[in-house]
Amino acid sequence: EPEVTQTPSHQVTQMGQEVILRCVPISNHLYFYWYRQILGQKVEFLVSFYNNEISEKSEIFDDQFSVERPDGSNFTLKIRSTKLEDSAMYFCASSDPQEGYGYTFGSGTRLTVV
Amino acid sequence: GQNIDQPTEMTATEGAIVQINCTYQTSGFNGLFWYQQHAGEAPTFLSYNVLDGLEEKGRFSSFLSRSKGYSYLLLKELQMKDSASYLCAVRLNYNAGNNRKLIWGLGTSLAVNP
Repeated sequence: EPEVTQTPSHQVTQMGQEVILRCVPISNHLYFYWYRQILGQKVEFLVSFYNNEISEKSEIFDDQFSVERPDGSNFTLKIRSTKLEDSAMYFCASSDPQEGYGYTFGSGTRLTVV
Repeated sequence: GQNIDQPTEMTATEGAIVQINCTYQTSGFNGLFWYQQHAGEAPTFLSYNVLDGLEEKGRFSSFLSRSKGYSYLLLKELQMKDSASYLCAVRLNYNAGNNRKLIWGLGTSLAVNP
C-alpha cells in the first residue's frame, strides 16, 4: 500500500535554530499538507500546497514557516527560527482529488525545541 | 468560527459495541471523516461520510446527519487493540484554491477493558 514517508522521526533542536522536516508524498497525489499536533491537543492545519504553490495557510503558519517542493518527490517544511512552542508532532499528508476520501498521513516527525 | 465537539473519554468492554458521537458547527461542509490515532502515531483513516446515512465498513460504521450537524462512529465486537483516540474531522467547502483542509475535533480516547 502506498505510504507517505517522513524524516526524521525525531528531531531535537535548540531554540532559534532552523529545522527542515521532510516528506515524500504518495507519487500520484496532487495535494499536500502539513498539520501539527501539540501533545494532548487537537490536530491543527498549517498549510496546503497544490500546483507548486500554497493554496491556504493558517494563522499559525507565519513568516517563520515555509514550504517547498524542490523536486518531483519531496515536500519540505522549514521553520527558520524555532521557538519552544513549536515543539509538536508534525504530520505531512497527501490526497488525490479523484479519491474523494481522506488523506494519507505520514508517521510524523516529533520536534522538540529546547 | 469552526467547532467540533466529541466526548473526551469513553470506556467499553471487549466484545461490546460503543458509539462515539461528534457534533460540528462549521462555515462549510464537504465531508466528515473519522480517524483512529494510537498514541504517538499518525491518524489512520477509518471512514468518510458526505451524504446523510450510515456507511458500514466491517466492524466500523459511521453515520451522518447534515441537518443536525451530527455524526457517530460505531465500533462493534470491540478488541483490545481498538484502544486509541478517535478523531472526527470536517472538510470545509473547497475554496478558490482547491483547498481541502480538515478541521479536527480534540478526539475521544477509548479504553477497551477485558
